[in-house]
Parts: sequence; C-alpha cells; structure tokens
Amino acid sequence: NAGVTQTPKFRVLKTGQSMTLLCAQDMNHEYMYWYRQDPGMGLRLIHYSVGEGTTAKGEVPDGYNVSRLKKQNFLLGLESAAPSQTSVYFCASSLSEYGYTFGSGTRLTVV
Amino acid sequence: DQQVKQNSPSLSVQEGRISILNCDYTNSMFDYFLWYKKYPAEGPTFLISISSIKDKNEDGRFTVFLNKSAKHLSLHIVPSQPGDSAVYFCAASAYTGNQFYFGTGTSLTVIP
Repeated sequence: NAGVTQTPKFRVLKTGQSMTLLCAQDMNHEYMYWYRQDPGMGLRLIHYSVGEGTTAKGEVPDGYNVSRLKKQNFLLGLESAAPSQTSVYFCASSLSEYGYTFGSGTRLTVV
Repeated sequence: DQQVKQNSPSLSVQEGRISILNCDYTNSMFDYFLWYKKYPAEGPTFLISISSIKDKNEDGRFTVFLNKSAKHLSLHIVPSQPGDSAVYFCAASAYTGNQFYFGTGTSLTVIP
C-alpha cells in the first residue's frame, strides 16, 4: 500500500548542477502534481499533469521541467539548480481534480 | 500575491477545548475548499472539504464553515486532542481550473 512515493528524500546540490526528482504512484490516478513548500509561502504548484503524456505549468514553473511518460510516474527536473530552489518538494496524485494524496516530500538544498 | 491566506501562523489550545483555524481567500471564483493536515517529515493528508453550495460540512470532530460573502472559511475541531497537533493548510480551487491554491498553514498545538 505505497500510495505516492518520492525519491530521493534528501539531496544537496551545488549551484548549476542538475537533478531529477521521481514521483511514483500505484493508485492508477490520472492527475499528478509537483508542489514546493517554502516558509511563509504555503504550497505552490510548479507543474501538473492530467494524464499520461500531458503536462502543464502551475504557479511557479520557471527553472523546472517535467515529464509524464508513464501514467504512474511524474518526474521533476532541475536543469541548472539555483539557491532559490532550496525547498521541500511534494508530489501529489488524484483520481480527479480533487482530493490529493501527497508523498512524504523531498528536501532539496542548493548551495 | 497570496490568494489564500491563513493569518495565524500558530495556535495553542488546551486538550478538550475547541480549536478554530481560519482561512481567507481573495478570488471570488473559488468554489471548492479543502483542509489538509501535515505532520513533520510527512506529506499533507486530506482532512475535510466543502463546496460553495454548502455553508457547513461535518466529519466527526471536524467541521468546516464557509462564509462566501466574507470569503472566509474556518475549521473547528471539537474536542481537540494532542494527536491533532500538526500544521493545517487550507486550499481553494475554481471548478474551471485544475489548480489548488494553498494557504501558508497554521501550526496547531494541543496541550494535554
């Protein structure tokens, strides 16, 4: 009963490095989302997907790219990490537009 | 600009008393609202929802009230229990969109 699994859980990057965060869900959900959580800012939507092969921009998409090649996976990429991307990243999935199931988060530090 | 605001970063309540968490929104197009609860090192978990056709929704000890004219919703927890200590986020969405806007969260501490 995994739900939504995010890997890695922690990562430290140097400025300019690239990395990919993986989100996997085993609930056959159509919708998947990437959020970032920053102090005093709440959760902000980066990108989302309404089905396999689709992606769309959210509130704060700059500096990130995403791919949804398989229904169960949603990848978030940082091509050239910046200190402003230090955050906790949450992936979520849902059967419809409502009622998200969140992963446990990835804490990313960019130095 | 924050479209969903939780103006109280923290709240402390005695066990057994009522906890009231507040949330305000600015976008009149929002018509579906959620509350999430988050423990440290875990992802948020869904707590309760309300749509704009209602002004109240109850689920056990949790009740959400919606005042559309004031663009305000509140979450009542009665009675509060130490296990309710967590960060609570409210979120809002318009039916025409796929995006939920989250507030900044309120950290609730229930004192035994």
